[in-house]
Amino acid sequence: AQTVTQSQPEMSVQEAETVTLSCTYDTSENNYYLFWYKQPPSRQMILVIRQEAYKQQNATENRFSVNFQKAAKSFSLKISDSQLGDTAMYFCAFMKHRGGAQKLVFGQGTRLTINP
Amino acid sequence: NAGVTQTPKFQVLKTGQSMTLQCAQDMNHEYMSWYRQDPGMGLRLIHYSVGAGITDQGEVPNGYNVSRSTTEDFPLRLLSAAPSQTSVYFCASSLGVYSGNTIYFGEGSWLTVV
Repeated sequence: AQTVTQSQPEMSVQEAETVTLSCTYDTSENNYYLFWYKQPPSRQMILVIRQEAYKQQNATENRFSVNFQKAAKSFSLKISDSQLGDTAMYFCAFMKHRGGAQKLVFGQGTRLTINP
Repeated sequence: NAGVTQTPKFQVLKTGQSMTLQCAQDMNHEYMSWYRQDPGMGLRLIHYSVGAGITDQGEVPNGYNVSRSTTEDFPLRLLSAAPSQTSVYFCASSLGVYSGNTIYFGEGSWLTVV
């Protein structure tokens, strides 16, 4: 079974700083997807960024980028020029590439606070 | 476009009561699923459906039933509520089972069992 671990329960940075959230996972699959979801106080689950394991290039979405290290099974999220609106819980999630249902496996989450 | 709609948003149940959480999507998505989120944890998959008439169990299915009679609706039934089922429940949908399809989440349903 796949597992996802986020070792930082909470993080706090000043506005405009850069912050990196860590995520490691365990799987025997070769092809899979990795995601970062943001959950603000409203509890809505918002997709931040996604990485396909067979792509070597790290995904980027505006101020958000990932450092995907497949051999190390590491998938960190970097937020540049952080904004107050980035304050939220962030979840790392894994999904197998093949076969049947889309089953997301989530980490425990990291609570990120951006201070003014 | 409403997306994924869950009702009710808040519910308090007594132990032993039954209830149904409703989920509807208007995007003609084949795939629908239910997750629960407990304090300090990520979401865990309860049940899922890859199309009308087809359902299967996820990681934590005990105490829950589902059915999928239409493409649009995927209700989650709590048969005999227990305090351990106090959680936030999320319904999700996507275009199909291909893993590249984006998963859309509803806004969540807060359930308290006393």
